[in-house]
Amino acid sequence: SQQGEEDPQALSIQEGENATMNCSYKTSINNLQWYRQNSGRGLVHLILIRSNEREKHSGRLRVTLDTSKKSSSLLITASRAADTASYFCATDAWGQGAQKLVFGQGTRLTINP
Amino acid sequence: EAGVAQSPRYKIIEKRQSVAFWCNPISGHATLYWYQQILGQGPKLLIQFQNNGVVDDSQLPKDRFSAERLKGVDSTLKIQPAKLEDSAVYLCASSLDAGGFAEQYFGPGTRLTVT
Repeated sequence: SQQGEEDPQALSIQEGENATMNCSYKTSINNLQWYRQNSGRGLVHLILIRSNEREKHSGRLRVTLDTSKKSSSLLITASRAADTASYFCATDAWGQGAQKLVFGQGTRLTINP
Repeated sequence: EAGVAQSPRYKIIEKRQSVAFWCNPISGHATLYWYQQILGQGPKLLIQFQNNGVVDDSQLPKDRFSAERLKGVDSTLKIQPAKLEDSAVYLCASSLDAGGFAEQYFGPGTRLTVT
C-alpha cells in the first residue's frame, strides 16, 4: 500500500537553482525520511524528520514537515550536477508485526549544466 | 565500514525458471529487508527479518517467493517459478534497529529480467 506521493514526478532545472520536491501522505506518522537514488550510489538515506519537528537542515538540504496537512517538502539549494537523481519520501507504518517504511513513487530530478 | 553486499548484480532468466538472490548486511545490523523496485516506482517491502525471524512478509507472494535468513546474518530470496511481472530490481537493506525511526542502508540491488 502506498503511503507517500511525491510531486512533481519529474523536475528539470539549471545548475545553481534551487529544487523543491513535495511529499503528501495519508495516515498519521511518527517520522518521515527522504532518500536519494542514483545509478552511482544506489539508494541512500538523506534525512529523517520526526512528527514533532517542523524543519530540519543538513548541508544544502532543508526538509519541512506539516503534519496538519500531511505533507513534507525537500529543498535542495544551489543545485549541482551530482544532485541528479530520484528522490523518495518514506513514511513509517505498522505492518504485520513491526513498523516498516513505505516509499512513495519518487521525483526524478535532473540538473542541467 | 563495509556496506550491504548483494549478488548477482544482474540476472536474466526465462519465465517459469527459478532464481535466487543473496544478501550480506552490514555487520551488527539486526534487521534485514528485501524490497522489490519496479522501473519508475518506489521500493516495495517484500519481507522484513529481525535477527533470523520474520516480522513482516505481508506483501511477499508466498506462492512463488521465499526468503530465509540463516543465523541472523546472510539472507537469500528465491523466486520459483518466475513470471514476467517479476522483472524488477531487488534491493536488500539493513538497519541497526527495526522500526520506522531506523535509517536503512541499501545494497546495490539485483536487476532481474524475466523473458
